[in-house]
Amino acid sequence: EIVLTQSPGTLSLSPGERATLSCRASQSVTRAYLAWYQQRPGQAPRLLMYGTSKRATGIPDRFSGGGFGTDFTLTISRLEPEDSAVYYCQQFHRSVWTFGLGTKVEIK
Amino acid sequence: QIQLQESGPGLVKPWETLSLTCSVSGDSVTNTDYYWGLIRQPPGKGLEWIGSVYYSGTTYYSPSLESRVTISVDTSKNQFSLNLKSVTAADTAIYYCARLKPQGDPRWDPWGQGILVTVSS
Repeated sequence: EIVLTQSPGTLSLSPGERATLSCRASQSVTRAYLAWYQQRPGQAPRLLMYGTSKRATGIPDRFSGGGFGTDFTLTISRLEPEDSAVYYCQQFHRSVWTFGLGTKVEIK
Repeated sequence: QIQLQESGPGLVKPWETLSLTCSVSGDSVTNTDYYWGLIRQPPGKGLEWIGSVYYSGTTYYSPSLESRVTISVDTSKNQFSLNLKSVTAADTAIYYCARLKPQGDPRWDPWGQGILVTVSS
């Protein structure tokens, strides 16, 4: 089973700043099989990015994803107050889905 | 617009079976493009995939839960269901239903609002 390690655990930034979230896998992950989800307080998770770099429907272009192999990143170029959430990366390998433990983004 | 709605008891006794139903509207569980599944989240913690089901009955389960889990689909009711047996306090969580697109770039979208299930006597 592939383990996903997300860092940092918490990111505290001001509106307009850039956030870079890391997701590191215990073994290589196919780019097509790496996704990100956003979970705002009190809400269900929602799909943010899939296939490493493709934005889900309705996701603004300030969100971008990249990486390959074992290292992937989610970047929020200009933070807005509604971006306050926990962000989870997810991978699929040999019929098993796993999630990272999440990065909490706080807006000052 | 597709929606998923979880339903079931909010409280289950230890060692009993947790049963949940996910009702789908705006799409059909027989849609050949998708799987259907469940993901859970213990209070204040991260997400854990439980398993997935295809309309044909094909299933995939988390290795850590496989011995206790059954997910089935009822095409006549446009629903799919979870049975998790011999539950303990560690199974207390918010349980989410979601749709899985497995082809191309696999992804879970959308998710239901979730239902909190507490295991306690």
